Amino acid sequence: QSVVTQPPAASGTPGQRVAISCSGSSSNIGSNYVYWYQQLPGTAPKLLIYRNNQRPSGVPDRFSGSKSGTSASLAISGLRSEDEADYYCAAWDDGGWVFGGGTKLTVL
Amino acid sequence: QVTLRESGPALVKPTQTLTLTCTFSGFSLSTRGMCVSWIRQPPGKALEWLALIDWDDDKYYSTSLKNRLTISKDTSKNQVVLTMTNMDPVDTATYYCARSQASGSDPLYFYDAMDVWGQGATVTVSS
Repeated sequence: QSVVTQPPAASGTPGQRVAISCSGSSSNIGSNYVYWYQQLPGTAPKLLIYRNNQRPSGVPDRFSGSKSGTSASLAISGLRSEDEADYYCAAWDDGGWVFGGGTKLTVL
Repeated sequence: QVTLRESGPALVKPTQTLTLTCTFSGFSLSTRGMCVSWIRQPPGKALEWLALIDWDDDKYYSTSLKNRLTISKDTSKNQVVLTMTNMDPVDTATYYCARSQASGSDPLYFYDAMDVWGQGATVTVSS
């Protein structure tokens, strides 16, 4: 299973739009769906985006996902204080899941 | 409503074997498409996927840990068990189990989102 890379940190002010990148390879993101998880402090991860750009029921449309080639991106528009969390991308890779290293989003 | 709960020892000694149990409700692992994964998270660090077992008893393991891991299921008890041998202090982490489903149709199905997670079990490895 190969590595998936995310920036360790991102930040924005309330109301802003923030994007978090996720870079992989042909064996993971390049050939499989990308998923995004949100982990609020002290809690279990929660599914935020599935199959590149689909939102589970209950996830606000402020959250959106996209994928191009071996990279993916999570965008959060209308940033709110409650969006401050860790965000992880994930993809299937050669017989197993691989997670990105996570991005800590700070709302200034 | 789908729920999962992890259980196991909070403290293990180095070189011991860790056994964790994921007890779930709201779905059956004998139902085609259902899967359960184990994921861990060391304090302050990223998520790391460990293993997956599916309804057909297919098993997948993290490449870096496969020599130490065994995943199994007991469909009658709605449980999935993960064992990890030769525990080391670097294995100190919160261990999560999560449900996912395989989507598509044979032979071209794929493993879909880990959509429901347990609350996690904290395991400390120390003498």
